[in-house]
Amino acid sequence: AQSVTQLGSHVSVSEGALVLLRCNYSSSVPPYLFWYVQYPNQGLQLLLKYTTGATLVKGINGFEAEFKKSETSFHLTKPSAHMSDAAEYFCAVSDPWGNKLVFGAGTILRVKS
Amino acid sequence: SQTIHQWPATLVQPVGSPLSLECTVEGTSNPNLYWYRQAAGRGLQLLFYSVGIGQISSEVPQNLSASRPQDRQFILSSKKLLLSDSGFYLCAWRKADYGYTFGSGTRLTVV
Repeated sequence: AQSVTQLGSHVSVSEGALVLLRCNYSSSVPPYLFWYVQYPNQGLQLLLKYTTGATLVKGINGFEAEFKKSETSFHLTKPSAHMSDAAEYFCAVSDPWGNKLVFGAGTILRVKS
Repeated sequence: SQTIHQWPATLVQPVGSPLSLECTVEGTSNPNLYWYRQAAGRGLQLLFYSVGIGQISSEVPQNLSASRPQDRQFILSSKKLLLSDSGFYLCAWRKADYGYTFGSGTRLTVV
């Protein structure tokens, strides 16, 4: 079975500050890892994904995440927050066959001006 | 290109009434299809998934059912809604490279 834990249901940063959203996973097989963003009353948009290969993954809107197997983590970062980054972010894990995607509880990011 | 359609966008239904939410995918064949529910502050819960016509896997016991009458159509139903069925329902399909694409969602309020 797979699971995801997102540390911090709410994160608040100032505009221009570093964004760090934490995600730890549990998986009995090599994981495929994803970050999604959701704006109010909308569906989910894929930010980035890790399947195999390079452990530092770059995504859209300046976000990136690093897969650390030893720490079972896949934290999402962005060097400089923008007001438009305010949204809810979900970390997710699937097995290599991609049959099921398991989500964390989500982290709401607030960006202060 | 592939697109996913989900409707209606919002729905208010009384307790005990039936439910039918529809999801269709265009531009692909034999996709894996999924229904998720998002309750306030609880993340996304996988409800059902389907790997082919007539093949439905249920992840959690509940008041809902799913059907896949056609290759690119996935329907979420209930015979009698409960208050606890309120939430944001998302349909998704999986691409071959393990990316999932989500529909725009249906906000269901049971009153």
